[in-house]
Formats: sequence, C-alpha cells, structure tokens
Amino acid sequence: DADVTQTPRNRITKTGKRIMLECSQTKGHDRMYWYRQDPGLGLRLIYYSFDVKDINKGEISDGYSVSRQAQAKFSLSLESAIPNQTALYFCATSPGNTEAFFGQGTRLTVV
Amino acid sequence: AQSVTQPDIHITVSEGASLELRCNYSYGATPYLFWYVQSPGQGLQLLLKYFSGDTLVQGIKGFEAEFKRSQSSFNLRKPSVHWSDAAEYFCAVGGPFSSNTGKLIFGQGTTLQVKP
Repeated sequence: DADVTQTPRNRITKTGKRIMLECSQTKGHDRMYWYRQDPGLGLRLIYYSFDVKDINKGEISDGYSVSRQAQAKFSLSLESAIPNQTALYFCATSPGNTEAFFGQGTRLTVV
Repeated sequence: AQSVTQPDIHITVSEGASLELRCNYSYGATPYLFWYVQSPGQGLQLLLKYFSGDTLVQGIKGFEAEFKRSQSSFNLRKPSVHWSDAAEYFCAVGGPFSSNTGKLIFGQGTTLQVKP
C-alpha cells in the first residue's frame, strides 16, 4: 500500500457543489500539506498542518478549507466548486523541514 | 521573495543522449534543494536532494545535480537518457527560510520527451 493515499483519484463535479478530497498517511509524520498543480505553474501550497490543532493557510487558500481529523488524516474541501479550481491536487507529508512525500494526486474537474 | 525558475518548459532528447535540466532559485539563505519527477498519472517521486556539504549530489535512476551558489542554480543531469525517463521534472526549494514549516516552493516544471 502507498504511504500517502488520496481519494478519490479522479472526480468530476458541477459548479457550486461541495466536494471533499481525502488524504491519509501511514508514514507517522506530523506535517501534512495540500498542493495544487496547474500546467505551467508547478505546485502551489493551499494549506498545511503541523498537528490536529495547527492549521495554516498557504499561498492560495481562498475557496478552500481543510480539516485535520487525526495525525494520519487531512482532508481538503471546496465549499462551492468553480471551474478555475479544475486542477491536479496533491497531498504530502513531511517529517520536518526536509523533503515531502506525495500521494498520487486527485484530478478534479469542475464543469 | 523566494522563487524557483525552470527556464525550459519542454525538452526533447534522443535516447542515449545526455540531459541537463536547468533550475535557478531566489532564496535568502542557503536553501534546501530538491528534484522531483512526475511520471504520467503518478505522484511526485524524489530524485535527489541537497541540504549541505558536497555540492554534487547523486540520486536515483542515475541522476545527479550540482549546487552552484554563485549562480543560484541546481541543475539536474543524466549522462544517458532512457525512454522511461520521459516525464515532468520539478525543481523545488525549501529549508530554513520556510520558517521551519517544511513548505516547498516549486518551479514551473520541465517536460522531458525522449525520442527513440
């Protein structure tokens, strides 16, 4: 099994719908991250968390919210999806101020 | 502000040829530097990383990268490319200037195409 698991892998949703992307990890890391990938822009940080009580905004948090349900689980929500949130979303974990370990991504399409 | 630039959006090389992917960064301190690879439909896999010490670092799959502080660069190289190396490559920077958060700043990515 993968160390960082994202569900779903693919999702098509309609404008205005609420959607949740889930991430779970078995690496035992405290730090978890949500990134968004767009062509030509690389990955940009949406939110990050150091533990269940520590949630922080990244550079592009508008329109998104997160929940850290446990050390191993970090979910990303789009309260009212819009087409420009169509992207590839990655969850990542880190043991500290070093490299990140990524999930396989969730491809989200908002129509 | 911290930033990473990968000047080449798309590179095509012949199988067996050498490869160099460029990465330039802007950072207020000695950075931690990373190269990740993303194969189609896959997540990001770490190829190599630099924190300190020897400026030439070896990674997986035969890749290496050299940190050049004077040029603010961390270019990725491979002496002989295989067809399976076709993928998108991301340079990233992190480290002490990230306020100990572990956040990474990514470049735009370089797509590598390998010709037979």
